[in-house]
Amino acid sequence: QKEVEQNSGPLSVPEGAIASLNCTYSDRGSQSFFWYRQYSGKSPELIMFIYSNGDKEDGRFTAQLNKASQYVSLLIRDSQPSDSATYLCAVGYSGYSTLTFGKGTMLLVSP
Amino acid sequence: ETGVTQTPRHLVMGMTNKKSLKCEQHLGHNAMYWYKQSAKKPLELMFVYSLEERVENNSVPSRFSPECPNSSHLFLHLHTLQPEDSALYLCASSQDFRGGSVDTQYFGPGTRLTVL
Repeated sequence: QKEVEQNSGPLSVPEGAIASLNCTYSDRGSQSFFWYRQYSGKSPELIMFIYSNGDKEDGRFTAQLNKASQYVSLLIRDSQPSDSATYLCAVGYSGYSTLTFGKGTMLLVSP
Repeated sequence: ETGVTQTPRHLVMGMTNKKSLKCEQHLGHNAMYWYKQSAKKPLELMFVYSLEERVENNSVPSRFSPECPNSSHLFLHLHTLQPEDSALYLCASSQDFRGGSVDTQYFGPGTRLTVL
């Protein structure tokens, strides 16, 4: 059974701080990792994906992957109140575009 | 219209009704997905279609019946639903289903379904 675990939160950070969101997965065969943001009542929207060990940066967002530890994280620098949302971690397996999602971590950024 | 669209956005139905959810993608993708999102649960994959062929069905009750007439359209036909089926139903699409890497999935806005 493939599992993706996330702390449900809420994770509360002040505006301007770095928010760190974490995700662990059970299947060592996992090869693709996605972070989606979901505002309340809305659908998930893709923030980033990462395939290789290490860091990947896109603007204020950095995804970090450590396959040995089966751990993927998302850092949000200079957090803004508009970043307040639920962040979903999703894991994919080579050859098929089927994703397994975590339950999501709610992030609250206070002004 | 761009991206992935879904209609209706909200639906209230009784347990004896029959209704259909519609999804349309304007991205030129070959794969389409139905997900169910319930409170405090992860997104649950229900069905996957690749080039109009159903490739995955995750033990979904038969009261949910998908249809994919072409690579741009996906339907979810609903009949004799239960109150526990109330949820947000999301459609997604990706470039392909099978390939050397996992394609990014893009989601529609969802249909909020309430079963009375």
